[in-house]
Amino acid sequence: DQQVKQNSPSLSVQEGRISILNCDYTNSMFDYFLWYKKYPAEGPTFLISISSIKDKNEDGRFTVFLNKSAKHLSLHIVPSQPGDSAVYFCAAANTGNQFYFGTGTSLTVIP
Amino acid sequence: NAGVMQNPRHLVRRRGQEARLRCSPMKGHSHVYWYRQLPEEGLKFMVYLQKENIIDESGMPKERFSAEFPKEGPSILRIQQVVRGDSAAYFCASSPGGTLTNYGYTFGSGTRLTVV
Repeated sequence: DQQVKQNSPSLSVQEGRISILNCDYTNSMFDYFLWYKKYPAEGPTFLISISSIKDKNEDGRFTVFLNKSAKHLSLHIVPSQPGDSAVYFCAAANTGNQFYFGTGTSLTVIP
Repeated sequence: NAGVMQNPRHLVRRRGQEARLRCSPMKGHSHVYWYRQLPEEGLKFMVYLQKENIIDESGMPKERFSAEFPKEGPSILRIQQVVRGDSAAYFCASSPGGTLTNYGYTFGSGTRLTVV
């Protein structure tokens, strides 16, 4: 019962170009969404979040877009840098006690 | 101001042994969450604890798994009689408050359990 799905296991992008990572969810009760970044052998680190009352949140090179009607969110990274190479997880929550995570997308930024 | 500390980083156990995973939350954080990441999967919620209380254990397997967060000391995730399917990365996270949507988590670096 995967309530949060990341259908692209991997993505390769040239340095300087835009990276777009996608995430779909099934539970319409989710009202808070986050993106985490994970390097090998480390724990996930918080990147950016968005609540359901917004459709866009921007933080430097990172922008998250939320389309509630489509139950879809995306993370845009522009310009992409080699240090952005990592696994990106999207996560969703309602007022409960847990986040539901996707399976991750491995981003490789090619210098 | 240390982050979330998990130990050991790597743990190897034979089938049937016990595994004990420790997590010390960030200073000032009183809420602890345990997640498990199986190979090729995302992180799956296991249990949410506050000091001396289990708040939500809906993600914990019904048998062999237990968790505690005592008044003093780290949170412990205990797996009895481990099997090969328990091999995974176990992540602990902490937060300062219980209103989840006000905070992200801060994760530790994880404990990689290998059952041989």
